[in-house]
Amino acid sequence: DADVTQTPRNRITKTGKRIMLECSQTKGHDRMYWYRQDPGLGLRLIYYSFDVKDINKGEISDGYSVSRQAQAKFSLSLESAIPNQTALYFCATSDAGARGYTFGSGTRLTVV
Amino acid sequence: AQSVSQHNHHVILSEAASLELGCNYSYGGTVNLFWYVQYPGQHLQLLLKYFSGDPLVKGIKGFEAEFIKSKFSFNLRKPSVQWSDTAEYFCAVNAPLRQNFVFGPGTRLSVLP
Repeated sequence: DADVTQTPRNRITKTGKRIMLECSQTKGHDRMYWYRQDPGLGLRLIYYSFDVKDINKGEISDGYSVSRQAQAKFSLSLESAIPNQTALYFCATSDAGARGYTFGSGTRLTVV
Repeated sequence: AQSVSQHNHHVILSEAASLELGCNYSYGGTVNLFWYVQYPGQHLQLLLKYFSGDPLVKGIKGFEAEFIKSKFSFNLRKPSVQWSDTAEYFCAVNAPLRQNFVFGPGTRLSVLP
Protein backbone atom coordinates (compact mmCIF):
# COMPACT_ATOMS: atom_id res chain seq x y z
CA ASP A 1 0.00 0.00 0.00
CA ALA A 2 1.16 3.51 -0.79
CA ASP A 3 2.36 5.69 2.07
CA VAL A 4 0.31 8.62 0.79
CA THR A 5 -2.96 7.84 -0.98
CA GLN A 6 -4.97 10.33 -2.98
CA THR A 7 -8.49 9.85 -4.25
CA PRO A 8 -9.76 10.16 -6.88
CA ARG A 9 -6.91 9.71 -9.37
CA ASN A 10 -8.80 11.48 -12.10
CA ARG A 11 -11.88 13.67 -12.04
CA ILE A 12 -13.78 15.69 -14.57
CA THR A 13 -16.27 18.16 -13.15
CA LYS A 14 -18.38 21.04 -14.37
CA THR A 15 -17.88 24.70 -13.61
CA GLY A 16 -19.61 25.70 -10.39
CA LYS A 17 -19.62 22.24 -8.85
CA ARG A 18 -18.16 21.51 -5.43
CA ILE A 19 -15.49 18.87 -5.37
CA MET A 20 -13.37 17.31 -2.66
CA LEU A 21 -9.98 15.69 -3.10
CA GLU A 22 -8.89 13.37 -0.35
CA CYS A 23 -5.51 12.44 1.02
CA SER A 24 -4.59 9.88 3.63
CA GLN A 25 -1.17 8.80 4.88
CA THR A 26 0.35 5.95 6.83
CA LYS A 27 3.71 7.65 7.43
CA GLY A 28 2.70 8.95 10.85
CA HIS A 29 3.80 12.42 9.78
CA ASP A 30 2.32 15.48 11.42
CA ARG A 31 2.77 17.80 8.44
CA MET A 32 0.58 17.59 5.37
CA TYR A 33 0.46 19.77 2.27
CA TRP A 34 -1.58 20.35 -0.86
CA TYR A 35 0.14 21.51 -4.04
CA ARG A 36 -1.04 22.07 -7.56
CA GLN A 37 1.17 21.48 -10.55
CA ASP A 38 0.81 23.40 -13.79
CA PRO A 39 3.12 23.09 -16.81
CA GLY A 40 6.03 25.50 -16.59
CA LEU A 41 5.08 26.68 -13.11
CA GLY A 42 6.31 23.80 -11.01
CA LEU A 43 4.48 23.06 -7.79
CA ARG A 44 2.66 25.80 -5.93
CA LEU A 45 1.52 25.46 -2.35
CA ILE A 46 -2.21 25.75 -1.71
CA TYR A 47 -2.55 24.90 2.00
CA TYR A 48 -0.53 23.18 4.66
CA SER A 49 -1.17 21.79 8.10
CA PHE A 50 1.28 21.00 10.88
CA ASP A 51 -1.23 19.17 13.04
CA VAL A 52 -4.96 18.62 13.34
CA LYS A 53 -5.57 22.07 14.80
CA ASP A 54 -3.20 23.94 12.55
CA ILE A 55 -4.19 25.07 9.04
CA ASN A 56 -2.25 27.61 7.00
CA LYS A 57 -2.73 29.23 3.64
CA GLY A 58 -0.12 28.79 0.97
CA GLU A 59 0.65 31.06 -1.93
CA ILE A 60 -2.48 30.23 -3.97
CA SER A 61 -5.25 29.45 -1.48
CA ASP A 62 -8.02 31.53 -3.08
CA GLY A 63 -10.86 29.33 -4.27
CA TYR A 64 -9.78 26.40 -2.10
CA SER A 65 -10.45 25.20 1.43
CA VAL A 66 -9.09 22.32 3.45
CA SER A 67 -10.01 20.11 6.35
CA ARG A 68 -7.65 18.13 8.56
CA GLN A 69 -9.97 15.45 9.85
CA ALA A 70 -7.28 13.47 11.63
CA GLN A 71 -3.51 13.25 11.72
CA ALA A 72 -3.67 10.92 8.75
CA LYS A 73 -6.28 12.73 6.65
CA PHE A 74 -6.18 16.06 4.86
CA SER A 75 -8.80 16.94 2.26
CA LEU A 76 -8.90 19.76 -0.26
CA SER A 77 -12.17 21.28 -1.44
CA LEU A 78 -13.05 23.46 -4.36
CA GLU A 79 -16.29 25.13 -3.33
CA SER A 80 -17.21 26.27 -6.83
CA ALA A 81 -14.85 24.87 -9.42
CA ILE A 82 -13.67 27.03 -12.31
CA PRO A 83 -11.76 26.02 -15.45
CA ASN A 84 -8.45 27.59 -14.37
CA GLN A 85 -8.41 25.15 -11.47
CA THR A 86 -7.75 22.41 -14.00
CA ALA A 87 -4.42 21.01 -12.84
CA LEU A 88 -2.62 18.09 -11.26
CA TYR A 89 -2.99 18.16 -7.48
CA PHE A 90 -0.52 16.55 -5.12
CA CYS A 91 -0.74 15.84 -1.44
CA ALA A 92 2.53 15.51 0.45
CA THR A 93 3.62 14.76 4.00
CA SER A 94 6.75 15.44 5.99
CA ASP A 95 7.98 14.89 9.50
CA ALA A 96 8.55 17.74 11.92
CA GLY A 97 12.09 18.21 10.67
CA ALA A 98 10.80 18.81 7.14
CA ARG A 99 13.73 16.88 5.76
CA GLY A 100 11.91 15.64 2.72
CA TYR A 101 8.45 15.17 1.34
CA THR A 102 6.57 12.01 0.55
CA PHE A 103 4.16 12.64 -2.29
CA GLY A 104 0.91 11.00 -3.22
CA SER A 105 0.27 9.85 -6.76
CA GLY A 106 -1.70 12.94 -7.64
CA THR A 107 -5.23 13.78 -8.72
CA ARG A 108 -5.74 15.04 -12.23
CA LEU A 109 -8.68 17.44 -12.10
CA THR A 110 -10.36 18.83 -15.18
CA VAL A 111 -13.00 21.55 -14.84
CA VAL A 112 -15.13 21.99 -17.96
CA ALA B 1 11.14 35.38 0.08
CA GLN B 2 12.77 32.22 -1.12
CA SER B 3 12.74 31.44 -4.83
CA VAL B 4 14.21 28.72 -6.99
CA SER B 5 15.16 29.00 -10.62
CA GLN B 6 16.04 26.23 -13.02
CA HIS B 7 18.06 27.19 -16.04
CA ASN B 8 16.46 25.07 -18.69
CA HIS B 9 12.83 24.44 -19.48
CA HIS B 10 13.46 21.47 -21.78
CA VAL B 11 16.68 19.53 -22.37
CA ILE B 12 17.03 16.97 -25.15
CA LEU B 13 19.94 14.52 -25.07
CA SER B 14 20.96 11.32 -26.76
CA GLU B 15 21.59 8.22 -24.70
CA ALA B 16 25.05 8.12 -23.10
CA ALA B 17 25.37 11.91 -23.15
CA SER B 18 26.28 13.67 -19.94
CA LEU B 19 23.69 15.70 -18.10
CA GLU B 20 23.84 18.82 -16.01
CA LEU B 21 20.69 20.61 -14.89
CA GLY B 22 21.10 23.96 -13.22
CA CYS B 23 19.39 25.12 -10.06
CA ASN B 24 19.84 28.40 -8.24
CA TYR B 25 18.05 29.62 -5.17
CA SER B 26 17.70 32.90 -3.41
CA TYR B 27 17.94 32.69 0.34
CA GLY B 28 20.74 34.02 2.47
CA GLY B 29 20.60 31.57 5.33
CA THR B 30 21.12 27.86 5.83
CA VAL B 31 19.10 25.72 3.46
CA ASN B 32 18.24 22.13 2.77
CA LEU B 33 18.31 21.27 -0.93
CA PHE B 34 16.54 18.58 -2.90
CA TRP B 35 16.11 17.21 -6.37
CA TYR B 36 12.90 15.39 -7.21
CA VAL B 37 12.07 13.45 -10.37
CA GLN B 38 8.66 12.95 -11.91
CA TYR B 39 8.43 10.19 -14.49
CA PRO B 40 5.59 10.50 -17.00
CA GLY B 41 2.26 9.99 -15.31
CA GLN B 42 3.77 9.48 -11.89
CA HIS B 43 4.25 11.41 -8.68
CA LEU B 44 7.40 13.14 -7.53
CA GLN B 45 10.11 10.98 -6.07
CA LEU B 46 13.19 12.08 -4.17
CA LEU B 47 16.44 11.75 -6.14
CA LEU B 48 18.81 13.20 -3.59
CA LYS B 49 19.08 15.74 -0.83
CA TYR B 50 21.67 17.90 0.88
CA PHE B 51 21.52 19.05 4.48
CA SER B 52 25.13 19.57 5.48
CA GLY B 53 28.61 18.11 5.13
CA ASP B 54 30.16 17.00 1.84
CA PRO B 55 28.77 19.33 -0.84
CA LEU B 56 28.86 16.55 -3.42
CA VAL B 57 25.80 14.42 -2.87
CA LYS B 58 25.12 11.09 -4.50
CA GLY B 59 21.57 9.97 -5.11
CA ILE B 60 19.73 7.11 -6.70
CA LYS B 61 20.11 5.91 -10.29
CA GLY B 62 23.59 7.38 -10.73
CA PHE B 63 22.62 11.00 -10.14
CA GLU B 64 24.69 13.40 -8.11
CA ALA B 65 24.49 17.07 -7.23
CA GLU B 66 26.97 19.64 -6.03
CA PHE B 67 26.13 22.38 -3.59
CA ILE B 68 28.15 25.54 -4.22
CA LYS B 69 27.27 27.91 -1.45
CA SER B 70 29.00 30.94 -2.97
CA LYS B 71 26.94 30.56 -6.12
CA PHE B 72 23.67 29.59 -4.40
CA SER B 73 23.57 26.64 -6.74
CA PHE B 74 22.73 22.95 -6.53
CA ASN B 75 23.23 21.51 -10.00
CA LEU B 76 22.22 17.97 -10.85
CA ARG B 77 24.53 15.77 -12.89
CA LYS B 78 24.69 12.34 -14.43
CA PRO B 79 27.66 11.13 -16.49
CA SER B 80 25.67 9.02 -18.93
CA VAL B 81 21.91 9.30 -19.33
CA GLN B 82 19.57 6.52 -20.34
CA TRP B 83 16.27 6.60 -22.18
CA SER B 84 14.60 5.71 -18.86
CA ASP B 85 15.80 9.04 -17.39
CA THR B 86 13.21 10.83 -19.51
CA ALA B 87 11.24 12.75 -16.89
CA GLU B 88 10.72 16.14 -15.33
CA TYR B 89 13.19 17.23 -12.69
CA PHE B 90 12.43 19.65 -9.90
CA CYS B 91 14.85 21.42 -7.62
CA ALA B 92 13.48 22.37 -4.20
CA VAL B 93 14.73 24.39 -1.26
CA ASN B 94 13.69 24.37 2.36
CA ALA B 95 15.12 26.62 5.04
CA PRO B 96 15.25 24.53 8.22
CA LEU B 97 13.06 26.84 10.26
CA ARG B 98 10.54 27.54 7.53
CA GLN B 99 7.34 25.70 7.05
CA ASN B 100 7.42 24.49 3.52
CA PHE B 101 9.48 23.76 0.47
CA VAL B 102 9.83 26.04 -2.52
CA PHE B 103 10.03 24.30 -5.86
CA GLY B 104 11.61 25.42 -9.09
CA PRO B 105 9.52 25.40 -12.26
CA GLY B 106 11.02 22.11 -13.40
CA THR B 107 13.19 20.97 -16.29
CA ARG B 108 11.85 18.45 -18.74
CA LEU B 109 14.48 15.98 -19.88
CA SER B 110 13.96 13.99 -23.06
CA VAL B 111 16.50 11.26 -23.79
CA LEU B 112 16.50 9.98 -27.33
CA PRO B 113 17.28 6.28 -27.81
